Amino acid sequence: GAVVSQHPSRVICKSGTSVKIECRSLDFQATTMFWYRQFPKQSLMLMATSNEGSKATYEQGVEKDKFLINHASLTLSTLTVTSAHPEDSSFYICSADLGGGSGNTIYFGEGSWLTVV
Amino acid sequence: QKEVEQDPGPLSVPEGAIVSLNCTYSNSAFQYFMWYRQYSRKGPELLMYTYSSGNKEDGRFTAQVDKSSKYISLFIRDSQPSDSATYLCAMKGAGNNRKLIWGLGTSLAVNP
Repeated sequence: GAVVSQHPSRVICKSGTSVKIECRSLDFQATTMFWYRQFPKQSLMLMATSNEGSKATYEQGVEKDKFLINHASLTLSTLTVTSAHPEDSSFYICSADLGGGSGNTIYFGEGSWLTVV
Repeated sequence: QKEVEQDPGPLSVPEGAIVSLNCTYSNSAFQYFMWYRQYSRKGPELLMYTYSSGNKEDGRFTAQVDKSSKYISLFIRDSQPSDSATYLCAMKGAGNNRKLIWGLGTSLAVNP
C-alpha cells in the first residue's frame, strides 16, 4: 500500500518554543492531507484539512495561529505548533488522501509524540 | 448524540475466540465504512473497507454493514494475541467530502 512518512516520531521541546512536524506521501501525490490529535485512550480528533496550495481548513475549536499548517507541495504538509505549552503534549497523526473520495484511499503516518516540558 | 457510537471496552477474550466489534451511526448519508487497527503509540492501519451494505471477508476478518439499521460490525475469527490493539470504525459520505467520522475505538486484549 501507499506509504506516509511522518517525522519526527518523538520530540521533546521546551515550553514557549515552536516545533515542526512533517508529513510526506512517499510514493503518491496527495492533494489532501489531514492532521489529527489523539489523547491517550481516546479517538482521533481532526484538527484541520490541508489542501495543496491553499489555506488549511481548521475544525471548530482549533487555533489556526497556534497550529500552523503548510501544504507546499503534493507530497509534503507540515504542522508547526507555535509557542508550545505542556497542554499541547499529545500524539499528532497525519493522513494523506490518494484521491477518489471513497475512503479506502486514506493512508496514515506513524504519528509524532510531542512532549512539552 | 454523536454521529458514530462505539463502545470503548476494554474487551478481553481468550486466544481462539471469535471477537465481535460494532459501531452504530446516525447519518444516513454515510456510504463508506472502514475499520482501522491501531497498536499502541502507532498510527492507524486500514484493516477493512466496505462500500454501502453487505459483507466483506479477508482472512480471519469479516466486516458487515447494515445500512437499514445503521450498524456496522467487525468479526475476528480465531483471535490471536497479536490482534490485541484498539479497533476504530470510521465512515464518510460520498462525493468530495473526504472527512472521516470516527468512533471512539474499542480496546481489545486477546489473552494467550
